Amino acid sequence: QVQLVESGGGVVQPGGSLRLSCAASGFTFTSYGMHWVRQAPGKGLEWVAVVSYNGDNKYYADFVKGRFTISRDNSKNTLSLQMNSLRAEDTAVYYCAKEIRPGPYFDYWGRGTLVTVSS
Amino acid sequence: EIPLTQSPATLSLSPGERATLSCRASQSVSSYLAWYQQKPGQAPRLLIYDASKRATGIPARFSGSGSGTDFTLTISSLDPEDFAVYYCQQRANWPPLTFGGGTRVDIK
Repeated sequence: QVQLVESGGGVVQPGGSLRLSCAASGFTFTSYGMHWVRQAPGKGLEWVAVVSYNGDNKYYADFVKGRFTISRDNSKNTLSLQMNSLRAEDTAVYYCAKEIRPGPYFDYWGRGTLVTVSS
Repeated sequence: EIPLTQSPATLSLSPGERATLSCRASQSVSSYLAWYQQKPGQAPRLLIYDASKRATGIPARFSGSGSGTDFTLTISSLDPEDFAVYYCQQRANWPPLTFGGGTRVDIK
């Protein structure tokens, strides 16, 4: 069955960096675009970034552009999110999500990893 | 960016009742809209995509309708497990992909 397992969350000071990972299994990872979606505590869902199936195309939400970098390693079935210059407003649970086409919509999600930006 | 507005913010209903949730887009998204369910402490689950297509394994009591700017998620008869938060999401014009603010369906 499809599994997405995020890791790498934690507490970081404003201006700091963190790298999130998502280990994927149970499907042909190389066939699907992969996304990060976040959810601040008690708030709604926010799309963060996408990387295409082969890693060639990447798009970001404006609020992370220039600070976050999405990448994937198809040899390891792993998705990553490098987060730099973190701000308090980046505090959220970060989910990795597998897209479906037509879409993208998200048919599988991980359980999420909590990032807390605080001094 | 296409903002999505969901209403009402909270819907208080009893098991067995019909739930009608609304999602309105600031401009036409054609039929390119999905609905998700999220329970506390869990990741969202895809219910409906392309406005009216049920995702794999989703019970028939969930149905979606609408096109253009106005969409509806209907739960024909609420099961106790249906009390959750529901989000809509558009893919008509992206990036960015956008979500609505959510509707909480709670037990009356």
